[in-house]
Amino acid sequence: TQLLEQSPQFLSIQEGENLTVYCNSSSVFSSLQWYRQEPGEGPVLLVTVVTGGEVKKLKRLTFQFGDARKDSSLHITAAQPGDTGLYLCAGKGAGNNRKLIWGLGTSLAVNP
Amino acid sequence: DAGVIQSPRHEVTEMGQEVTLRCKPISGHDYLFWYRQTMMRGLELLIYFNNNVPIDDSGMPEDRFSAKMPNASFSTLKIQPSEPRDSAVYFCASSPASGGSTDTQYFGPGTRLTVL
Repeated sequence: TQLLEQSPQFLSIQEGENLTVYCNSSSVFSSLQWYRQEPGEGPVLLVTVVTGGEVKKLKRLTFQFGDARKDSSLHITAAQPGDTGLYLCAGKGAGNNRKLIWGLGTSLAVNP
Repeated sequence: DAGVIQSPRHEVTEMGQEVTLRCKPISGHDYLFWYRQTMMRGLELLIYFNNNVPIDDSGMPEDRFSAKMPNASFSTLKIQPSEPRDSAVYFCASSPASGGSTDTQYFGPGTRLTVL
């Protein structure tokens, strides 16, 4: 069974601090996605990484896919209150199956 | 453009009652997914459809749960009879057919179900 473990589970920081969230698995994924979910809403895609070692930047967010395509990290620089939310990683296996394997998420609170 | 539409947004019912959740996917999307989210288990895929045909229902908890997609613009998830342990937020998501490795899923706002 494929599993994705996210850490930390909860994170509370002050505005302006940096943070890193991790997503780890023993399985290889063909791609990995990061979503952000705000209270009362559904998850929204932030980025998809496909190639081992790939790094993508989205403003103050930096996403990296591990060389072996088993793990990923999300780094936020100078966090702002608007970054508050649940960050979810989701991995897709090989083949045509559209099923995603989801982590439990990291709940981030950025305090002003 | 309208996103994924779900109804109702909130549902409170008593144990043993039938519950029907509804979803309208984004027009033109070929894939539709039903998820359940709880604090303990996170986001769990229940079932997904491609062109109205169920492809993977391995996540459906038991026979009390059933899902249908009679046409490309409508799907239902039914629980009969409902139990308190079914209390969760149920999400519907849709995805276009332009697959490859960029299978973005677009989520609706969810239905918060409480079974008393």
